Formats: sequence, C-alpha cells, structure tokens
Amino acid sequence: DGGITQSPKYLFRKEGQNVTLSCEQNLNHDAMYWYRQDPGQGLRLIYYSQIVNDFQKGDIAEGYSVSREKKESFPLTVTSAQKNPTAFYLCASSTMDDRGRKGQYFGPGTRLTVT
Amino acid sequence: SQKIEQNSEALNIQEGKTATLTCNYTNYSPAYLQWYRQDPGRGPVFLLLIRENEKEKRKERLKVTFDTTLKQSLFHITASQPADSATYLCALDTGRRALTFGSGTRLQVQP
Repeated sequence: DGGITQSPKYLFRKEGQNVTLSCEQNLNHDAMYWYRQDPGQGLRLIYYSQIVNDFQKGDIAEGYSVSREKKESFPLTVTSAQKNPTAFYLCASSTMDDRGRKGQYFGPGTRLTVT
Repeated sequence: SQKIEQNSEALNIQEGKTATLTCNYTNYSPAYLQWYRQDPGRGPVFLLLIRENEKEKRKERLKVTFDTTLKQSLFHITASQPADSATYLCALDTGRRALTFGSGTRLQVQP
C-alpha cells in the first residue's frame, strides 16, 4: 500500500525536551510538508521541502527544525525553543503532473502534548 | 493582509439536501484552489482541485465553483448523507510554494 506514515500517533513530553516526529512516504513524491493544527484552526505551514537536501521555512518555523536526507523521509524536531508545542502535527507530500498540481496526501498525524 | 475565510459556524442540514460551503479570500491570486475533507483526529483527504481558468468542476456528488472576480469558491455536496459529516477545508495554491489553508467548516448531516 502506498501512503504516508507518521509515528507515533500520540506523544507526551516534558517541557524543555526536544522531540522528533517521524514522517515517511512511499509515494515517490518529491515534495513534503509539515503543518501544525490547533483546535478549531486551519493548518499552518511549518517547513516544506521540494527536493532532497533542501527545505524552506514556512509561516511558523521558529522553534522547529527539519532534515531531508532521503526522498522518502522528512522528520520534524520540536525544540525546547518552541513556546507552545502542544498541537496536532500533520505531514504531507505531493507531486506535480503535467497539467498542474495534484492534491497533497496527508499522514494520520501525531498529537503532541507537552507538560 | 491576506486572508482565507470559511464559515466557522457548523452547517447543519437534513439528509438528501444539498450542502453548500463557502470559501472567500482576499489579497491572493491563486492559480488553483483545492478542497479537502477532514474527520476528527485524522489527516485531511484531498477531494477536488479547480484551476483559475475553470468555472466549475464535478466529481460524483461533489461540485466546486471558482469565481476569481468575486474571489470565492463554493463547494456543493448533493444528496447529502450522514457519512458526509466532517470538516471541509479549502486551500489556495498561488504556485509559489505550499498551500495556504482556511480554518474549515464543519458539516453535520442529520438522518
């Protein structure tokens, strides 16, 4: 089955600890994205990567870091510098066809709770 | 400032009726507009994409319109079913980088 996996589904951490969220895709997509979703709000872009070894900051990158060493993997680290890290984190991937963009495929999400 | 607005109030309709959801935007020039469905605690699922030069797109019971003059997209579900109950997100693609999402409208279809 092709798709995107995120692990773990639920994650609990103490304040001051860094934590890394996993995102893997076997869709052979070039582009990958990380979004954050807070209750009753839309998705906000944290980081995105359009090609291996390259990534760009989104709207709310402060306190987060990413790497893109392999096409299929795009892990997100939530650092202790992120002031309000408790949220639902979504990873997505996409590609382009010759008529334009296709939709993004999303993983199941990781719910991070920091206390 | 740039803004995407979807009705934050839930839309409640009777089974069999047509649901119409609205997405308005300001200070964007999207090349594409996309609609997603999101169930509680899960990732969004892509439904439809419409390009700026298309007025309307259909897929089974779904229909999307895109009016670049009004800066508005309408999303219709005909013959709605309780299984259509979910939050529906619109997203703008300006062709520059990643999508920009609205906050979504929750649809509740009553049996």
